[in-house]
Amino acid sequence: DTAVSQTPKYLVTQMGNDKSIKCEQNLGHDTMYWYKQDSKKFLKIMFSYNNKELIINETVPNRFSPKSPDKAHLNLHINSLELGDSAVYFCASSQEVGTFYGYTFGSGTRLTVV
Amino acid sequence: ILNVEQSPQSLHVQEGDSTNFTCSFPSSNFYALHWYRWETAKSPEALFVMTLNGDEKKKGQISATLNTKEGYSYLYIKGSQPEDSATYLCASSTDKLIFGTGTRLQVFP
Repeated sequence: DTAVSQTPKYLVTQMGNDKSIKCEQNLGHDTMYWYKQDSKKFLKIMFSYNNKELIINETVPNRFSPKSPDKAHLNLHINSLELGDSAVYFCASSQEVGTFYGYTFGSGTRLTVV
Repeated sequence: ILNVEQSPQSLHVQEGDSTNFTCSFPSSNFYALHWYRWETAKSPEALFVMTLNGDEKKKGQISATLNTKEGYSYLYIKGSQPEDSATYLCASSTDKLIFGTGTRLQVFP
């Protein structure tokens, strides 16, 4: 059983489209995250939710909207996709809010905007 | 702004060699230091989470130390094997986890 699963694994779409990436964790963790791996291979935090509540919202365009229907799911919706949104997006979870616990990562979604 | 820096960027060693990498981070408002192992085409996997100055952790042939006063952590691999080839990421935090760019290790048979 995959602990943190993301779908789809690959996503190719045209500029201007709206798309969603889904993330689910079966670890019973309270906290979930979205990270973006940029062109320099940095993993940058985008959002964090604790038990369905938004706790971290970095400087990310409003076109990006996370949604957490329950604590096991954190989806990422992106409106009006731009070329610069092309990246690998990683979902992660941790036992509790804060950084005293290791993160479990999904396998990533490679988004290509053409 | 929290800056986490890792060195070297990449490292090539022979099987059986021991190696170590450095992670440096701002020492003020420190909460925790994480190390992750990231194999190509896989997701980062947590190795260690350390919080106390002087912490030392070990997992098999891999160990890590932490100095929060001067803001650095070392990761050691004793007797590297080809399967240790991966990118090793460190991340430091105040209220959120900030990652370094990693050290890419390649172990040749």
